[in-house]
Parts: sequence; structure tokens; C-alpha cells
Amino acid sequence: GQSLEQPSEVTAVEGAIVQINCTYQTSGFYGLSWYQQHDGGAPTFLSYNALDGLEETGRFSSFLSRSDSYGYLLLQELQMKDSASYFCAVSRQGGKLIFGQGTELSVKP
Amino acid sequence: DTEVTQTPKHLVMGMTNKKSLKCEQHMGHRAMYWYKQKAKKPPELMFVYSYEKLSINESVPSRFSPECPNSSLLNLHLHALQPEDSALYLCASSQILRTSALVYEQFFGPGTRLTVL
Repeated sequence: GQSLEQPSEVTAVEGAIVQINCTYQTSGFYGLSWYQQHDGGAPTFLSYNALDGLEETGRFSSFLSRSDSYGYLLLQELQMKDSASYFCAVSRQGGKLIFGQGTELSVKP
Repeated sequence: DTEVTQTPKHLVMGMTNKKSLKCEQHMGHRAMYWYKQKAKKPPELMFVYSYEKLSINESVPSRFSPECPNSSLLNLHLHALQPEDSALYLCASSQILRTSALVYEQFFGPGTRLTVL
């Protein structure tokens, strides 16, 4: 089987740093992606890790440990517009993406 | 052009109707996808097309029928749907890396919000 676990909700204040964790159990793992989705909007790609380590893209960073089946998304200098749902997703052969249940991030002033 | 477009934005249909959802991209992507998303849930993969051929069907009921007429277009034909099929239907596209079947960044369209009465 396959499963991904991430917290359902996270709340933080503007300017803070927040980390959203994701643990996974799956066969045929190629990499871990992160997507952001605002209410009523389409998922948009944030980052991807195929190898262990940290990937940094502006205010967002993503980390992967394949041996621990664990990854996280780190959001720095939080802004109100970062309030959204964040999904981790496992990439499998053939382009198959399996999404976690999503973490709803609320950024307060 | 880094956009995936979907039409219509909203669709209301009865259980006996036949309708189609359309998706288009002009990024030269050779993989295209249909997802279904219920409120407060993650997208669930339905179909994957690779080089215009159906490569993955996630055991979707036959009342959903996908079609890929060419490398830029993807359709989803709907017939005899049930009220529980009401959801946001998302189309996505991506490149296919030549070294393997691996893809990693999918570009999503805005979706069609479907209501089945």
C-alpha cells in the first residue's frame, strides 16, 4: 500500500517560519513534491526532491531523507498570501503523483 | 505560454446527460492527466496520457471516458454520472524526461467545477 501523512492544520503569524512535515510509505518512490493550493484555485508546484538534502527556492525550502521516508517544506518570512493548503506528493513511475491529505496553513497578522 | 486552460469553468448536468470537459496546453508537454478533487481533499489521479496514449487508468468507472485527440488537447467525456461524481475536475500536463519515465512538475489548469443533479 501507500500512504502519506502530514498535519491537517498549521497556524503561524506573519514574518514567522513554519515547517510542514510529511512522512510516506510507498513502493516505487522516485521523489517528493510539494504543491500549494489556494481556496478555489489550482495546485501550483513549489519544489521537488529526488535526492536527500535541502532544495531552496526563494522563501521556500524543501528537505528529503529517503532513509527516513520523511520530508518537509519550510516557509520563511511568512506573508498573508501564503495562507493556503500545502500538499506533499510522492512521484512514482509513469508520472503518477500520490498526494497527501494536505495541510491548511493559516497566516495571522 | 505556461498555462493549462480548461473549459467550461462550471458545469451542471443531470444524471442522464452527456457532456465533455476540455483541456488544452501549448507547452509541448507529452504527458497529460485528469484528477478529481473533492472539497478539503487532495487531488485523486484518474487518468494519465503519455504521448497521446492512455498509460494509467486508476480503475475509474466507465461513465468517465478520456480522449487525447492530439498532443495539446485532452477531453473527458461524461455520461450517466451520479451525484457523488460532483467535484472539481483538474487537468494537468508535464514533460517526460527522456532518461526515464520520471516526471516531477505538473502544471494544473483551473479546473471544471461539476455538479451532478
